[in-house]
Amino acid sequence: DFVLTQSPDSLAMSLGERATINCKSSQTVFNGLDNKNYLAWYQQKLGQPPKLLIYWASTRASGVPDRITGSGSGTDFTLTINTLQAEDVAVYYCQQHFSTPYTFGQGTKLEIK
Amino acid sequence: QVTLKESGPALVRPSQTLTLTCTLSGLSPDINKLRVSWLRQTPGKALEWLARIDWDDDKFYSTSLKTRLTISKDTSKNQVILTMTDMDPVDTGTYFCARHGVAGATGGNWFDPWGQGVLVTVS
Repeated sequence: DFVLTQSPDSLAMSLGERATINCKSSQTVFNGLDNKNYLAWYQQKLGQPPKLLIYWASTRASGVPDRITGSGSGTDFTLTINTLQAEDVAVYYCQQHFSTPYTFGQGTKLEIK
Repeated sequence: QVTLKESGPALVRPSQTLTLTCTLSGLSPDINKLRVSWLRQTPGKALEWLARIDWDDDKFYSTSLKTRLTISKDTSKNQVILTMTDMDPVDTGTYFCARHGVAGATGGNWFDPWGQGVLVTVS
């Protein structure tokens, strides 16, 4: 099974700053047949289900603001949230959608200072 | 706009079988590309994928839980059902169903949208 490790486990940033969350996979999620990286990012606010932010490592889901970006390739990926807003307080998860069993990172808790 | 809603018991006893139902509404005409998964969120294992069913009835299961899981569907009711046998207190958590994402004409294995989830306590 793919093991996804996120870092850091938590971070506290000030409003307007940039937050960076990393996700490292134990195996590559790059598919050479279509040149895509099979990695997704989710945001989960308290008491809510996860919400899709990014798929194929860098494609934003519908309605996701362009201050949220995904990058990376192979085994190392980053979620960047620019110009932090109060509404960004949440736990963020990465997920590999390369193959079953689909697996998630342990989550990164983002707080505002 | 597809929505999903989970239903099932809030409390199950150890060793019992859990049965959960996911009801889908607002399905698009691309029903033949539909894939639905069950996932859960427990204190010990964060988010965990459990099982997937495709509308052509292909099924996939978690490596560690496959001996306890059965996923099925009732097409006439737009429902996906998950059973999990031999429930244990460590299975306590929130169980979600989610549709697999679609990008244009391509189906994917990210999850969008998710249902609100149902909290199941094993005690």
